[in-house]
Amino acid sequence: AQSVAQPEDQVNVAEGNPLTVKCTYSVSGNPYLFWYVQYPNRGLQFLLKYITGDNLVKGSYGFEAEFNKSQTSFHLKKPSALVSDSALYFCAVKGNTPLVFGKGTRLSVIA
Amino acid sequence: IAGITQAPTSQILAAGRRMTLRCTQDMRHNAMYWYRQDLGLGLRLIHYSNTAGTTGKGEVPDGYSVSRANTDDFPLTLASAVPSQTSVYFCASSAQGLAGGNEQFFGPGTRLTVL
Repeated sequence: AQSVAQPEDQVNVAEGNPLTVKCTYSVSGNPYLFWYVQYPNRGLQFLLKYITGDNLVKGSYGFEAEFNKSQTSFHLKKPSALVSDSALYFCAVKGNTPLVFGKGTRLSVIA
Repeated sequence: IAGITQAPTSQILAAGRRMTLRCTQDMRHNAMYWYRQDLGLGLRLIHYSNTAGTTGKGEVPDGYSVSRANTDDFPLTLASAVPSQTSVYFCASSAQGLAGGNEQFFGPGTRLTVL
């Protein structure tokens, strides 16, 4: 069975500092990996995905994620955080079954 | 382009009542999904449909049913609501279902309270 772990419920970072939101996964075969963001009272929005190819994936709003097969990780990163990045972030994995989401990490960027 | 619309936006429902949550997409996507979002549990898949005319069970299907009569619509029905079905419900769609790596597009959600 496939699964996703987001080990941090909350991440706090100062504006302008780099941010990392962690994600590890378990899946049979080659994974499809996704990051989504959710702003208050809104649906999820797609940020980026890894399907195949370059391990460093660039997405919306300056976010990027690095696929690490040996560590089964797909951490979300941004070089310089903005207050407007404060939101709930979900990692998700898909093998040959429907998408499975992690429990989410709340990111707070402090001015 | 509206993307995915859901109705109602919110609803308070008496236990035992029947309720249908509506979802419509205008992207001509093959696959559609229903999730529930609960604090601390993330999103859990209720039911999905890879293409019109087919449906499948997700992680938490009990107490819910779906139908997919056409490409655009994917209603979710609670036959007899119970308080544990209080949640925020999201509909989503993707160009492909199980076979592809396409991202999903989400609707704005329906907040349901069962008393």
